[in-house]
Amino acid sequence: KQEVTQIPAALSVPEGENLVLNCSFTDSAIYNLQWFRQDPGKGLTSLLLIQSSQREQTSGRLNASLDKSSGRSTLYIAASQPGDSATYLCAVRDYGGSQGNLIFGKGTKLSVKP
Amino acid sequence: DTGVSQDPRHKITKRGQNVTFRCDPISEHNRLYWYRQTLGQGPEFLTYFQNEAQLEKSRLLSDRFSAERPKGSFSTLEIQRTEQGDSAMYLCASSLGLAGALVTDTQYFGPGTRLTVL
Repeated sequence: KQEVTQIPAALSVPEGENLVLNCSFTDSAIYNLQWFRQDPGKGLTSLLLIQSSQREQTSGRLNASLDKSSGRSTLYIAASQPGDSATYLCAVRDYGGSQGNLIFGKGTKLSVKP
Repeated sequence: DTGVSQDPRHKITKRGQNVTFRCDPISEHNRLYWYRQTLGQGPEFLTYFQNEAQLEKSRLLSDRFSAERPKGSFSTLEIQRTEQGDSAMYLCASSLGLAGALVTDTQYFGPGTRLTVL
């Protein structure tokens, strides 16, 4: 059974710092991995999707990498801003029993202090 | 706005009552998903539809839960005889599920319906 783990659970940094969020998954047989942002009490906003054959994806100040063989992904945020404060979730879509759903980690709650 | 919409955004009900939520996906998307998220946890899959066909249901979806997508457009999720443990955020997502294209299939989420069962 696929399990997704995100470390750390919470992170507080001063504005302007570069930071890395980590995601690990137990079964490397995945179609893709997706990073989301969730603001308090709100739905999820898709940030980046990395296909299983890709190593990384970039969007603005965000860069996500994928090492499928080791079951790891990182989300790099450059020059963090207070507006980046949110919970960041990673999710995998795997070959396992279900092909319909995403399997999520519990998220990393990021706080960027002005 | 052409994103995924959900209604209502908040629902407070008493234990034992029935509730129904609605989700309107992005118009050209053929796949629709329901997830449940409790405080401090990531979303957990409940069920998904391809067009009007319900293709999969999670074990989390007890007999008190039923979902429909009658015309392959909007979907409803009904919870009968609500329990306090049903309190959660119910999220809907949609995607353009092209055959053989799961690797690129991106799910887009709605704002969610927060259910509180008293």
